[in-house]
Amino acid sequence: RKEVEQDPGPFNVPEGATVAFNCTYSNSASQSFFWYRQDCRKEPKLLMSVYSSGNEDGRFTAQLNRASQYISLLIRDSKLSDSATYLCVVNSLGGSQGNLIFGKGTKLSVKP
Amino acid sequence: SAVISQKPSRDICQRGTSLTIQCQVDSQVTMMFWYRQQPGQSLTLIATANQGSEATYESGFVIDKFPISRPNLTFSTLTVSNMSPEDSSIYLCSVEGGVGGLFFGSGTQLSVL
Repeated sequence: RKEVEQDPGPFNVPEGATVAFNCTYSNSASQSFFWYRQDCRKEPKLLMSVYSSGNEDGRFTAQLNRASQYISLLIRDSKLSDSATYLCVVNSLGGSQGNLIFGKGTKLSVKP
Repeated sequence: SAVISQKPSRDICQRGTSLTIQCQVDSQVTMMFWYRQQPGQSLTLIATANQGSEATYESGFVIDKFPISRPNLTFSTLTVSNMSPEDSSIYLCSVEGGVGGLFFGSGTQLSVL
């Protein structure tokens, strides 16, 4: 089983749609969780951390289910500028951020 | 957030040559991380560079192939040695963020012919 697994997509949605990405991780001892955004030919950028209680940042909502080892990202009212690849990232050992495990990413394309 | 300058942004190299990638951070950091992102793949950690000590390499990566320098708390280099087409990839340096996670440099797109 891969350590961090995501649906690669692509997800093709119209502007204004709500879209959800899922991610599963294999290490039950994982400590911290993140969603990154990566635009084509650009470096990944931190979108948001994921907390056990769930967290929201504007149109973006992240949730964590430790029992199922599952992370989700919900994007409401999609914009053209949301088109990117979204990376699920898990810190499998805690401590240094060098222990981050990256998923392959889910590609989102928002169409007019 | 940290500002990370990475260069070159891209290069096309001949098989058997070496390329050194530089990474400059605008603040002092203890650890710098070097990642590789092969086409269609996830980011993979190559090594962690600590100032004043040898870099720590991940499984599958060795110092002879990817020598790293860390002369001070704001700078690091990664060399890709004796390159082959399989080394064609994006190479990224990164540092820890204050809220967890990492900040990345803009990456080096390497193509080996």
